[in-house]
Amino acid sequence: SAVISQKPSRDICQRGTSLTIQCQVDSQVTMMFWYRQQPGQSLTLIATANQGSEATYESGFVIDKFPISRPNLTFSTLTVSNMSPEDSSIYLCSVLGTGRGGVNTEAFFGQGTRLTVV
Amino acid sequence: DQQVKQNSPSLSVQEGRISILNCDYTNSMFDYFLWYKKYPAEGPTFLISISSIKDKNEDGRFTVFLNKSAKHLSLHIVPSQPGDSAVYFCAASGGGYQKVTFGTGTKLQVIP
Repeated sequence: SAVISQKPSRDICQRGTSLTIQCQVDSQVTMMFWYRQQPGQSLTLIATANQGSEATYESGFVIDKFPISRPNLTFSTLTVSNMSPEDSSIYLCSVLGTGRGGVNTEAFFGQGTRLTVV
Repeated sequence: DQQVKQNSPSLSVQEGRISILNCDYTNSMFDYFLWYKKYPAEGPTFLISISSIKDKNEDGRFTVFLNKSAKHLSLHIVPSQPGDSAVYFCAASGGGYQKVTFGTGTKLQVIP
């Protein structure tokens, strides 16, 4: 299993500002994933953060809006830039690990960051 | 394009009875399926999984059934307990390093 620490756990931000969310994993992992869960919606993958290379963004998400850093194999940050109320959501960091189904078959999550933009 | 669908946003069940949560998928490349449970203010936690080579996997009170021809899976909780009240997400992947795709979730309420 993997233990993931994510902070802040929640924040209320003014529109037009930026927030950086940090994710720390207790073991080295190749890929870290950033998800968003908007109210009443599924967990939507924003991007995959690879150490030593640029993040890979999913359709509908761009680097200018959600810049990601991955300085080493245990840490990543996601920045939500120029925020608007539509960015109000829960943001989750995730890694793949070895679960009961075998290697890289289970996604482990941080506790999430609840962001409210006013 | 919602590749993993949970058509019931909520479900209420009496304590001690069976809870059945359903999930449908459209991508035939998915070969590994997972169920996650999420409490408020916490990240999702893994519950049970099933590989496409199986049609049933059981773990205590939790059983997942997979019908590949119908692209349908279900989670059975027997007996249901009040502590099971949470949002349950169905998820699917191609296995290995491929990303995990989640459904929209079903909020289960177990009534004492």
